[in-house]
Amino acid sequence: VVLTQSPGTLSLSPGERATLSCRASQNVNSNYLAWYRQKPGQPPSLLIYGASSRATGIPDRFSGSGSGTNFTLTISRLEPEDFAVYSCQQYGSLPYTFGQGTKLEI
Amino acid sequence: QVQLVQSGAEVKRPGASVKVTCKSSGYIFTDYYIHWVRQAPGQGLEWMGWSHPDSGRTKYAQKFQGRVTMTTDTSISTSYMELSSLRFDDTAIYYCARELVAGLDYWGQGTLVTVSS
Repeated sequence: VVLTQSPGTLSLSPGERATLSCRASQNVNSNYLAWYRQKPGQPPSLLIYGASSRATGIPDRFSGSGSGTNFTLTISRLEPEDFAVYSCQQYGSLPYTFGQGTKLEI
Repeated sequence: QVQLVQSGAEVKRPGASVKVTCKSSGYIFTDYYIHWVRQAPGQGLEWMGWSHPDSGRTKYAQKFQGRVTMTTDTSISTSYMELSSLRFDDTAIYYCARELVAGLDYWGQGTLVTVSS
């Protein structure tokens, strides 16, 4: 399953709303789609799993939606720490592929 | 608290092998899959495969079949990823992460493997 993320780069300001897209080349089984945030020099951290469930400790300004082949990550009010790279991953079928990432910049 | 702690950076010659260690603590080691993901400099994440400590089963991405071996030692809650026949484009940060059908929720700090002549 090839995952294509858009846009490649998103330029916004703190307090604004961000909408990131992840499209799959075929249906993601059981909507097993996750989103990760990666800050420079750090490993990725899990935000969303199962397309719409927030991981432990993730604030409610992060929300995931979608099913089948189209998925969205929405950040309702950007905080300074949210400016990072976001990647989607499908884990419904082997191999567990990642998208190429969206860079969210100020 | 859950921790995955990886071994230190490595520098290898082309054609050599590298073995990265990932020690888990703070949870029941045999309950979770261990995945390996790599990230080349300035690039995105690339899934390599997983191993399951309880069953010993493994699944590898086709790209790495024949070159990668993932193993676990349940007596010391440690996972290993060995990559052989190293090439220059294997230079990357290698991460281990745990998973239980809910995404990769805890990650190691990463191990930089540099392939250089």
